[in-house]
Amino acid sequence: IAGITQAPTSQILAAGRRMTLRCTQDMRHNAMYWYRQDLGLGLRLIHYSNTAGTTGKGEVPDGYSVSRANTDDFPLTLASAVPSQTSVYFCASSDSGTASGANVLTFGAGSRLTVL
Amino acid sequence: GQNIDQPTEMTATEGAIVQINCTYQTSGFNGLFWYQQHAGEAPTFLSYNVLDGLEEKGRFSSFLSRSKGYSYLLLKELQMKDSASYLCAAVDSNYQLIWGAGTKLIIKP
Repeated sequence: IAGITQAPTSQILAAGRRMTLRCTQDMRHNAMYWYRQDLGLGLRLIHYSNTAGTTGKGEVPDGYSVSRANTDDFPLTLASAVPSQTSVYFCASSDSGTASGANVLTFGAGSRLTVL
Repeated sequence: GQNIDQPTEMTATEGAIVQINCTYQTSGFNGLFWYQQHAGEAPTFLSYNVLDGLEEKGRFSSFLSRSKGYSYLLLKELQMKDSASYLCAAVDSNYQLIWGAGTKLIIKP
């Protein structure tokens, strides 16, 4: 089934630990995104990638890093997790050549991260 | 600043009609999206409006008034499976998405 796969589904993590959230898509979409979703707030963009080999910062990039070595994979890394990074993380993709808010997004099922 | 407002929660009865409103203030405007998100699941695309007017898609319709900075999602013949959160998102002049916090719709039998 075509779509986006995220892993892990959920994780409890001690503060200060390093964590990588994985995201893989099989739709050959050029643009990929990482969002976080917190109760009472809208989705917030962390990082995005227009195409393999390029990345950009979103609204809330601090404490996170991404890489885009190929079209399919877009991992998100928390170098040293803090409790404020407790959230649900969604990976998304769109089939336009560039990351644009005017493109329809396809989302993964999300990764629920708890930092203690 | 940029802002999206939508009600936090609404309740409606199965078989009825409900209208979920969204007002936006953005620097420039390049369209408005509605997404549906069931609890614990990913958001899924419902509609995109860039021109004024009503667009109908089955039981769901979406309306946009650019002059008023206003949109609504209309759901007809409500079914229990329509219980979900509905996310409004506007596209600004830089083609960035500005998301509302979502409206949780509760359907009662």
